[in-house]
Amino acid sequence: QKEVEQDPGPLSVPEGAIVSLNCTYSNSAFQYFMWYRQYSRKGPELLMYTYSSGNKEDGRFTAQVDKSSKYISLFIRDSQPSDSATYLCAMSVINTGTASKLTFGTGTRLQVTL
Amino acid sequence: SQTIHQWPATLVQPVGSPLSLECTVEGTSNPNLYWYRQAAGRGLQLLFYSVGIGQISSEVPQNLSASRPQDRQFILSSKKLLLSDSGFYLCAWSVRYEQYFGPGTRLTVT
Repeated sequence: QKEVEQDPGPLSVPEGAIVSLNCTYSNSAFQYFMWYRQYSRKGPELLMYTYSSGNKEDGRFTAQVDKSSKYISLFIRDSQPSDSATYLCAMSVINTGTASKLTFGTGTRLQVTL
Repeated sequence: SQTIHQWPATLVQPVGSPLSLECTVEGTSNPNLYWYRQAAGRGLQLLFYSVGIGQISSEVPQNLSASRPQDRQFILSSKKLLLSDSGFYLCAWSVRYEQYFGPGTRLTVT
């Protein structure tokens, strides 16, 4: 079993739809959670990060963490064609004094159609 | 603000040739630095990370090596490339837990 599971998609939605992207994880030591967006042939771009359960909102994006269920989500409201990309979840244990090592999902490919 | 540079952007090399990819970070001091490889349709594989000058940790035994000659410079090298070294190489930096990625180098070994 992988430590982080993410549906690869592709997920196709019409413009303006609400998108829900999800990851599940098995390691209860994960405490820090991130979402990245990666356009084709580009490096991943950090969208959001959080270390607490509950919701964190930034514009059209909301990150949700449920540590009891080991489940994280990214919601995109009013989706736009420019949101078409691969979305990667990532997570880390909290430690001090060493580099953070992230465990990534394999990514979900999202396509927003006109 | 912080920026991260990688070069070259694209590289085509024959099997058996050497490799040197460079990554530099601006606007921050003493960052943690990382090299990843992303194969087509697959996830990110951590290759090396560094917490300081001359300090390199290897995650996966392979045909590659890394060096950090300066605080904000990270180099990925190989003496002899294999076909299996083809992929998208990404450098990243962090100060806390979240990592920030560079634009990547697409390497094709022929």
